[in-house]
Amino acid sequence: ELKVEQNPLFLSMQEGKNYTIYCNYSTTSDRLYWYRQDPGKSLESLFVLLSNGAVKQEGRLMASLDTKARLSTLHITAAVHDLSATYFCGAGGTSYGKLTFGQGTILTVHP
Amino acid sequence: DAGVIQSPRHEVTEMGQEVTLRCKPISGHDYLFWYRQTMMRGLELLIYFNNNVPIDDSGMPEDRFSAKMPNASFSTLKIQPSEPRDSAVYFCASSDPGRGLNEQFFGPGTRLTVL
Repeated sequence: ELKVEQNPLFLSMQEGKNYTIYCNYSTTSDRLYWYRQDPGKSLESLFVLLSNGAVKQEGRLMASLDTKARLSTLHITAAVHDLSATYFCGAGGTSYGKLTFGQGTILTVHP
Repeated sequence: DAGVIQSPRHEVTEMGQEVTLRCKPISGHDYLFWYRQTMMRGLELLIYFNNNVPIDDSGMPEDRFSAKMPNASFSTLKIQPSEPRDSAVYFCASSDPGRGLNEQFFGPGTRLTVL
């Protein structure tokens, strides 16, 4: 059974600092997704990573995938308050269609 | 496209009542997912459909929960009878793996409160 674990679950950052959220998954998966959820809102797709070594960047966020290590990272550069949200990673495993999500990382960016 | 549509957006009901949540997936998407989100348990997959057929309902917590997808553009999640511990946000999502990215698109959610 595919398990997805995120680390850390809570992250309090100062504006301007850098940090990384880690997403480990337990079985083979060639697909990894990152979503953002604002308080009281739905999940919004951020990145889709489909191959080993894939790297995607959007603004201050950069996501990467290492399928051999079964690890994806979401790197935050020079954090700003607007990045405060909950971030989820989801892995596809070998199941066509279904995704298994991690617990979510609650990110709070302070002035 | 309007995205995934869910109704109602908020539902407040009393314990023992029947609750029906509705979802319209994105047109052309052949996978539909029902999730439940709570602070304690996070985001849980309840059931998912492919081409209107239930594929995996192992996440449905109890027999009080049932889901149907009578056609490609409509699905319901029913709770009968409802209990206070069913209070949560219920999300519907849809995807089209055949297009390659297999990205799931989530609806706005239904916030259910059972008193």
